[in-house]
Amino acid sequence: GAVVSQHPSRVICKSGTSVKIECRSLDFQATTMFWYRQFPKQSLMLMATSNEGSKATYEQGVEKDKFLINHASLTLSTLTVTSAHPEDSSFYICSAFQISGGSTDTQYFGPGTRLTVL
Amino acid sequence: AQSVTQPDIHITVSEGASLELRCNYSYGATPYLFWYVQSPGQGLQLLLKYFSGDTLVQGIKGFEAEFKRSQSSFNLRKPSVHWSDAAEYFCAVGPPGGYQKVTFGTGTKLQVIP
Repeated sequence: GAVVSQHPSRVICKSGTSVKIECRSLDFQATTMFWYRQFPKQSLMLMATSNEGSKATYEQGVEKDKFLINHASLTLSTLTVTSAHPEDSSFYICSAFQISGGSTDTQYFGPGTRLTVL
Repeated sequence: AQSVTQPDIHITVSEGASLELRCNYSYGATPYLFWYVQSPGQGLQLLLKYFSGDTLVQGIKGFEAEFKRSQSSFNLRKPSVHWSDAAEYFCAVGPPGGYQKVTFGTGTKLQVIP
């Protein structure tokens, strides 16, 4: 099946620095990618929808100036956590939407990136 | 607003035993329903999905799920569990055609004992 990769898988940074996470669809083109945040023992929370060639759509309560999303190509979306603070520590997951037509459209998930802010 | 409830946080079954993971949803019409599995270090993998038609859905790895509108449920089942099925399972609900509005449950962690 389709594969979505994320890099890095784990990152530790100091408070105040910025961190970039990459999400790539490896064998298909994705005009739409999604970014989620997962807290321990909680479900995935959608942060934003990334659309190739246009601005991302952020969910209510997500700071767009803090979580910068760039979808520069049909296979790559990046999430940059700017001026990271300890409360930004979390598991970030991306997914890419493969359009095949109707009920065969499928959402593929990356393995996630564990961010720890000291 | 749509919502998903997975009442069991953690379930332990013996290898070879049957499995049922519960999922209840809240949605005004017939939603899209999904079950995903998440193994450590790997992304969520789609096990099966229900859009319409036959309410008993067959998925990968021997899993199936049944959509019961009257009970607002979409329980996941497997007749005989293998040790490799140990993972976390997420139920999700979304509006027809609206992947960006999919809501996930909090997950059920499955432990398989020999």
